[in-house]
Amino acid sequence: QQQVKQSPQSLIVQKGGISIINCAYENTAFDYFPWYQQFPGKGPALLIAIRPDVSEKKEGRFTISFNKSAKQFSLHIMDSQPGDSATYFCAATLLHDMRFGAGTRLTVKP
Amino acid sequence: DAGVTQSPTHLIKTRGQHVTLRCSPISGHKSVSWYQQVLGQGPQFIFQYYEKEERGRGNFPDRFSARQFPNYSSELNVNALLLGDSALYLCASSPTPGFEAFFGQGTRLTVV
Repeated sequence: QQQVKQSPQSLIVQKGGISIINCAYENTAFDYFPWYQQFPGKGPALLIAIRPDVSEKKEGRFTISFNKSAKQFSLHIMDSQPGDSATYFCAATLLHDMRFGAGTRLTVKP
Repeated sequence: DAGVTQSPTHLIKTRGQHVTLRCSPISGHKSVSWYQQVLGQGPQFIFQYYEKEERGRGNFPDRFSARQFPNYSSELNVNALLLGDSALYLCASSPTPGFEAFFGQGTRLTVV
């Protein structure tokens, strides 16, 4: 069922550094690509999302870069903070179906 | 404004039993989706309901069923529980399918 591949599985970044998480998808019919942040014991929280007609979207410290031809997209977290330590999931949506990546556990060290 | 609410928060069931999980979407949202999240993995799509009709189904056995009520709340039913059904069950709502989906805090189901 996995149609979205996410890497790396885990990531350790120093405070103030840039965190980069990558995802690749297979189905070119996907038309909406959200990123979610999840803390232990909580449901995923929507961070930022992009549609395939846009190559980049920025919201605060979070940026999505989207490469339609390569079927890849990535999340950049600028000025990473210890409070950003969480698991991040990319997803790809086609109307009635949202497929998630396996997740990246981000640790930001003080 | 209230977000997506799910009940119960935690649940322990015995193998072979039946369970019902409930979800109330954000006010004004007509689409509800259910996901299963096994520890250490991403959420897996189970069902989507929109305007009280099933619009999508993931690769789950027929033991899993769901419905959506006239007030757009939803319930997920799982029959003949197996140990492997132990997971966090997440409900997400959106105004319409294909738009931003907002998740509840989930129901942690443990099957013993």
